[in-house]
Amino acid sequence: DAGITQSPRYKITETGRQVTLMCHQTWSHSYMFWYRQDLGHGLRLIYYSAAADITDKGEVPDGYVVSRSKTENFPLTLESATRSQTSVYFCASSESGVSEAFFGQGTRLTVV
Amino acid sequence: DAKTTQPPSMDCAEGRAANLPCNHSTISGNEYVYWYRQIHSQGPQYIIHGLKNNETNEMASLIITEDRKSSTLILPHATLRDTAVYYCIVRGFNQGGKLIFGQGTELSVKP
Repeated sequence: DAGITQSPRYKITETGRQVTLMCHQTWSHSYMFWYRQDLGHGLRLIYYSAAADITDKGEVPDGYVVSRSKTENFPLTLESATRSQTSVYFCASSESGVSEAFFGQGTRLTVV
Repeated sequence: DAKTTQPPSMDCAEGRAANLPCNHSTISGNEYVYWYRQIHSQGPQYIIHGLKNNETNEMASLIITEDRKSSTLILPHATLRDTAVYYCIVRGFNQGGKLIFGQGTELSVKP
């Protein structure tokens, strides 16, 4: 199916574990983004990518690692999860730096 | 990066027009104004965007002032399903294509 998909939709992990959130888009969009949204707050940009093998920090990058070896995938890794990283994570993609972005359904991550 | 200012909340009667203001006084000439909305905890949804001219689509109209320092999103006939948080965002290539969300306006459409 065409679109942008995130997996898993829900994840519970323990403090200190590594966890990877997946994001896949079928449009071959150049730009991809990762956001986190904490309860009752707006979206904060973690990392973004303008093309394969090009990534850049957003507003809150600490504690996260990204890679983009293929245009369609943009995984987000928490190398050592902390309770403060409990959040809803959204992935998005856009064709260019000035076109509309499309968002995934989100991944709800709980770190215990 | 150009910043936006929006009222934190607004109410609108069902069936009436909802006019959501946004101030972006530091916008650069090649930056666009975007509007997104987020219903409950769903992923944000694109509504409309514009550079200089007013824009209209099936969802809304966007009115940008001549000096481009502010804009208004208009939902012509608001329904209960339009209750959401609305985000006004300035985006352009000089920011590296980043898409930064502010706090938005929480619109409540009431019967």
